[in-house]
Amino acid sequence: KAGVTQTPRYLIKTRGQQVTLSCSPISGHRSVSWYQQTPGQGLQFLFEYFSETQRNKGNFPGRFSGRQFSNSRSEMNVSTLELGDSALYLCASSLDGGLGDSPLHFGNGTRLTVT
Amino acid sequence: GESVGLHLPTLSVQEGDNSIINCAYSNSASDYFIWYKQESGKGPQFIIDIRSNMDKRQGQRVTVLLNKTVKHLSLQIAATQPGDSAVYFCAENTGFQKLVFGTGTRLLVSP
Repeated sequence: KAGVTQTPRYLIKTRGQQVTLSCSPISGHRSVSWYQQTPGQGLQFLFEYFSETQRNKGNFPGRFSGRQFSNSRSEMNVSTLELGDSALYLCASSLDGGLGDSPLHFGNGTRLTVT
Repeated sequence: GESVGLHLPTLSVQEGDNSIINCAYSNSASDYFIWYKQESGKGPQFIIDIRSNMDKRQGQRVTVLLNKTVKHLSLQIAATQPGDSAVYFCAENTGFQKLVFGTGTRLLVSP
């Protein structure tokens, strides 16, 4: 079974631009979560989607948004990019998002560099 | 607030030794914990999980111990191999798959 797939693997953007990252979950997984990983802050939760609905959101500004499609694929968007948005963005999927029944499985991330 | 912390940033062991990676958590209401391994250039890889109604859980060469009294979690790796070299994270599930991650411990295995 294919794992979580994230595209693109690398992105270089300029301050003020916007960016869209894509995630395809493991087949059959309906919950998709997004995390930001930086050397200074570590892994931080962005948001979680299930059946096209955002169920949980982390402490990030409104410039960070996401959505999930009917086939469970997900995208996240960052508008008005700032230098501090440079990070590894990780997508993770699980069967149903339930507590303790189906652990998160991560993709290899999209490395975003903002110049 | 929620926080999950690791005691040691780097652990160096010899091949064949047993490794123990520790983690402290602060949310006593958390009832599910996960260990992940992250290799360079890759995303976190699920290793093992444990519910709070358990004290110990074993996998292949790995054991997770949970001490709820002192809010401590540990990952034991038996017969550590060079391929085990990576950063290890403990994580606490706070609901709807919102994981709070520790800062990570780098495990270095020397041949």
